[in-house]
Amino acid sequence: TQLLEQSPQFLSIQEGENLTVYCNSSSVFSSLQWYRQEPGEGPVLLVTVVTGGEVKKLKRLTFQFGDARKDSSLHITAAQTGDTGLYLCMKAYYNQGGKLIFGQGTELSVKP
Amino acid sequence: DTAVSQTPKYLVTQMGNDKSIKCEQNLGHDTMYWYKQDSKKFLKIMFSYNNKELIINETVPNRFSPKSPDKAHLNLHINSLELGDSAVYFCASSHGGITYEQYFGPGTRLTVT
Repeated sequence: TQLLEQSPQFLSIQEGENLTVYCNSSSVFSSLQWYRQEPGEGPVLLVTVVTGGEVKKLKRLTFQFGDARKDSSLHITAAQTGDTGLYLCMKAYYNQGGKLIFGQGTELSVKP
Repeated sequence: DTAVSQTPKYLVTQMGNDKSIKCEQNLGHDTMYWYKQDSKKFLKIMFSYNNKELIINETVPNRFSPKSPDKAHLNLHINSLELGDSAVYFCASSHGGITYEQYFGPGTRLTVT
């Protein structure tokens, strides 16, 4: 089964703290995306990583794709209350007709 | 201006009823999807259509039938609703390529009583 494991599942931190969310798979995949979902809304795309070892930054968010293209991490520096939400990673298999698999999600709560 | 829209936002119905959820995208994407998000927030793909043709059909009861009248619309019809169908259903679209970036609608919360 081509699972995508995300950790931690829940994270509650104070404003200003740093955090890292991990997304791991046993198989290589074509690309990986990170999404954030706020209550009552659909997930919104944050970033796409394609190349092994790739690092992308989006303001205080840093995304890394593992060298072997089997894992990824999302690091948030100096978290703010606006970062609260459900973070989801998704992998795509281009050579399997666009098979898409989401991780279980990380619920982040940033308290003032 | 809405990129991917779904109607209705909320749907409350009784077991055994038949209901439909509509989805439209104005992004010009060729591929559209339906997802189910359960109470634990797990998001699972149900169907995918490319240019009105079904390309992904995950293990979904045949009470669920997607219909794509054109590439901008993908509707979901559910027959004989069951309690376990209660969930949030998301429509999404993608321009394809090798990354399959998803653009989601706002979701439809279905409650079956």
